[in-house]
Amino acid sequence: GDSVTQMEGPVTLSEEAFLTINCTYTATGYPSLFWYVQYPGEGLQLLLKATKADDKGSNKGFEATYRKETTSFHLEKGSVQVSDSAVYFCALSGAGGATNKLIFGTGTLLAVQP
Amino acid sequence: GAGVSQTPSNKVTEKGKYVELRCDPISGHTALYWYRQSLGQGPEFLIYFQGTGAADDSGLPNDRFFAVRPEGSVSTLKIQRTERGDSAVYLCASSPGGSSYEQYFGPGTRLTVT
Repeated sequence: GDSVTQMEGPVTLSEEAFLTINCTYTATGYPSLFWYVQYPGEGLQLLLKATKADDKGSNKGFEATYRKETTSFHLEKGSVQVSDSAVYFCALSGAGGATNKLIFGTGTLLAVQP
Repeated sequence: GAGVSQTPSNKVTEKGKYVELRCDPISGHTALYWYRQSLGQGPEFLIYFQGTGAADDSGLPNDRFFAVRPEGSVSTLKIQRTERGDSAVYLCASSPGGSSYEQYFGPGTRLTVT
């Protein structure tokens, strides 16, 4: 079945460091891809998305490019801040059928130290 | 505008009891989803409503779980004969439906079965 695999955390970085969180997927169709973020004590929020191959999603300095050839959607940020500390989830949707249910990875905890 | 709301925010119940969890979606959103998030995991899909009907209930773990959305707005997730393994955060999300894949999540209900 469809699945998402993302790198295990925690990822600990110093402020202004470069961030990469790897995400790969398995899907039978042509999914949309998402990164969701969960800040401490808050609900899941959509960070960015890409709906077709080679699309780049971006928001708040974060970017991810939909790579069909490598079935990947890695999250990157050039300079992280303490306020970016959160759990990041990679997800896919719409690989087949009309449900549009989201299939999530297990999440990656990012801790940014000042 | 108002986001997705869920009540209660926390629920503690004894093994074997019946519980109901409520979700108020964003006004006008026709699609509604329930997910379950266990500690250290990503959310897992339970059920999807389009309007009043359950279009996909393939994620419900067994027949103790049931959900309704009688008027196409508020939804209730019902769990009979609760078990300790049901302890998790139950998340609700809504979406405008149609071709939009973006889901907006509520803060969740933390269910603890003792």
